[in-house]
Amino acid sequence: KAGVTQTPRYLIKTRGQQVTLSCSPISGHRSVSWYQQTPGQGLQFLFEYFSETQRNKGNFPGRFSGRQFSNSRSEMNVSTLELGDSALYLCASSSTQGAPGPLHFGNGTRLTVT
Amino acid sequence: GIQVEQSPPDLILQEGANSTLRCNFSDSVNNLQWFHQNPWGQLINLFYIPSGTKQNGRLSATTVATERYSLLYISSSQTTDSGVYFCAAPDTGRRALTFGSGTRLQVQP
Repeated sequence: KAGVTQTPRYLIKTRGQQVTLSCSPISGHRSVSWYQQTPGQGLQFLFEYFSETQRNKGNFPGRFSGRQFSNSRSEMNVSTLELGDSALYLCASSSTQGAPGPLHFGNGTRLTVT
Repeated sequence: GIQVEQSPPDLILQEGANSTLRCNFSDSVNNLQWFHQNPWGQLINLFYIPSGTKQNGRLSATTVATERYSLLYISSSQTTDSGVYFCAAPDTGRRALTFGSGTRLQVQP
């Protein structure tokens, strides 16, 4: 079974631009979560989707948004990029519908904002 | 929300040594997960352990939910065990994990 796939692996953007990251979960997994990892704040929860519905959102500004498609693939978008958005963005999928089950992470997208 | 604390923050071992990593959490949880992040950033799920003990090769984990802690044991460490180990617990009422700040492990040959 293929693992969680994230694209692209690396991105360099300029302040004020926007960016879209993509995540394909493990086949059969309907829950997709996104996390941001920075040296200062560690791993922080962004949002979680299940069957195209956002069920939870972390404490991030509205510039961070996401969506999930009918095939469970997910995208997250960050608009009006700021230097502080530079981070490793990790997507995870899970087969459970309820409380977080075992999360399986992709390799991440490393975003650099200059 | 739930607080998750890990200790020690850093650990240096010689190859072949054993180690114990600790994770304390502030609220009752119905599961606890351990992850290993390799030097390339990949985060790998090691254990999903609501309570009791699980073993996977040289690694084992024990969660004592009533006392709000979990332990990760690494035996006969190898250089490939290097990286950062995270524990994570479900945030109360949310379908999200709160991660600890990690234990950075360096295994020297």
